[in-house]
Amino acid sequence: GAGVSQSPRYKVAKRGQDVALRCDPISGHVSLFWYQQALGQGPEFLTYFQNEAQLDKSGLPSDRFFAERPEGSVSTLKIQRTQQEDSAVYLCASLAGLAGVSSYEQYFGPGTRLTVT
Amino acid sequence: KNEVEQSPQNLTAQEGEFITINCSYSVGISALHWLQQHPGGGIVSLFMLSSGKKKHGRLIATINIQEKHSSLHITASHPRDSAVYICAVYNFGNEKLTFGTGTRLTIIP
Repeated sequence: GAGVSQSPRYKVAKRGQDVALRCDPISGHVSLFWYQQALGQGPEFLTYFQNEAQLDKSGLPSDRFFAERPEGSVSTLKIQRTQQEDSAVYLCASLAGLAGVSSYEQYFGPGTRLTVT
Repeated sequence: KNEVEQSPQNLTAQEGEFITINCSYSVGISALHWLQQHPGGGIVSLFMLSSGKKKHGRLIATINIQEKHSSLHITASHPRDSAVYICAVYNFGNEKLTFGTGTRLTIIP
């Protein structure tokens, strides 16, 4: 497909479990973002990659959150020892150019809805 | 105070009505996105604009940089327009999007 894809679409985890969320950006897109969207709220920035380099991880809420993009394409967001407050939709977005240099349009994936019980 | 504020938070209207959703921001921006999110679905970008006005079908977006305000208008609204509409801004020199909390629009047939 031509769009951003994410998997799984839904994930239920027991508190304390580790989870891994995958994002496949649009082929060739340089920049990749992860966002967290709590119920009834707008998305909030988690982290940003330019190719394989993680240039900004200031939005990661704790050291239990870890993101990687080792080959500059697919990215994985990992949450260790999940807590109930981690329940949210995790959105991935990609854009063709270098974010912050020129204002490219971001293309969003469908999100992964994580529920921690 | 949030950097990006939207109003109203919820809006219910009859089919055919003209809809306006407002977005105000408090930071200097390089561009503003209007996004649409359907329940259970991902986010679709409707517009990205940095000045003036853009139109796509029944949707119109305007921005006033001096007043730090943008509006999204929907003409001849239809039940399929029911969704959450989110305003998001690029801060100057910053790669991040900062989002408003969204406006939930419901169009009644």
